[in-house]
Amino acid sequence: GNSVTQMEGPVTLSEEAFLTINCTYTATGYPSLFWYVQYPGEGLQLLLKATKADDKGSNKGFEATYRKETTSFHLEKGSVQVSDSAVYFCALISGGSYIPTFGRGTSLIVHP
Amino acid sequence: DTAVSQTPKYLVTQMGNDKSIKCEQNLGHDTMYWYKQDSKKFLKIMFSYNNKELIINETVPNRFSPKSPDKAHLNLHINSLELGDSAVYFCASSQDGGRAEAFFGQGTRLTVV
Repeated sequence: GNSVTQMEGPVTLSEEAFLTINCTYTATGYPSLFWYVQYPGEGLQLLLKATKADDKGSNKGFEATYRKETTSFHLEKGSVQVSDSAVYFCALISGGSYIPTFGRGTSLIVHP
Repeated sequence: DTAVSQTPKYLVTQMGNDKSIKCEQNLGHDTMYWYKQDSKKFLKIMFSYNNKELIINETVPNRFSPKSPDKAHLNLHINSLELGDSAVYFCASSQDGGRAEAFFGQGTRLTVV
């Protein structure tokens, strides 16, 4: 079956630090990969996506590259802000089961 | 315009009661979902539904049932509420039979006392 593994949090950083949140997956077929963000008290919002190998998704300074050889989709940002504090979810959709599969989420806390 | 809307946002109720959470999407999507998020933020799929097929997570108690009066709505009914049902419930929708990204509602925080 499909599964997504994310690094455990919380990840605590100072403002302007570099961010990496690791995500690896197992899936049947060729999945589409996503990062979602959940701000406190809100629903999940799509942050970025990639639909095939070597694609790079990017949005709001965040980026992630679909690496088929390592089955990974790590999220990075060069300089985080306090407003980036949220929970980040890695997810996939794969043929055979068109139900999004989510990782357990990684909490990011950014201090001024 | 809110793309996926849920009501109510907060729901406090006593054990044993029956309650419903409503969900509507105005995106014209063909697939809708219900997820349960626990206190550790873990998201568990409960149901997936499009106009052809209902997929039920077999771990979901049969006290939970989805009802879809039309393509734009997927309501969640819960019978005989238990303390363990306390969580945040999210409705979501997607296009293309579920192949595209999901759009989420704001969530309903259910507290059973």
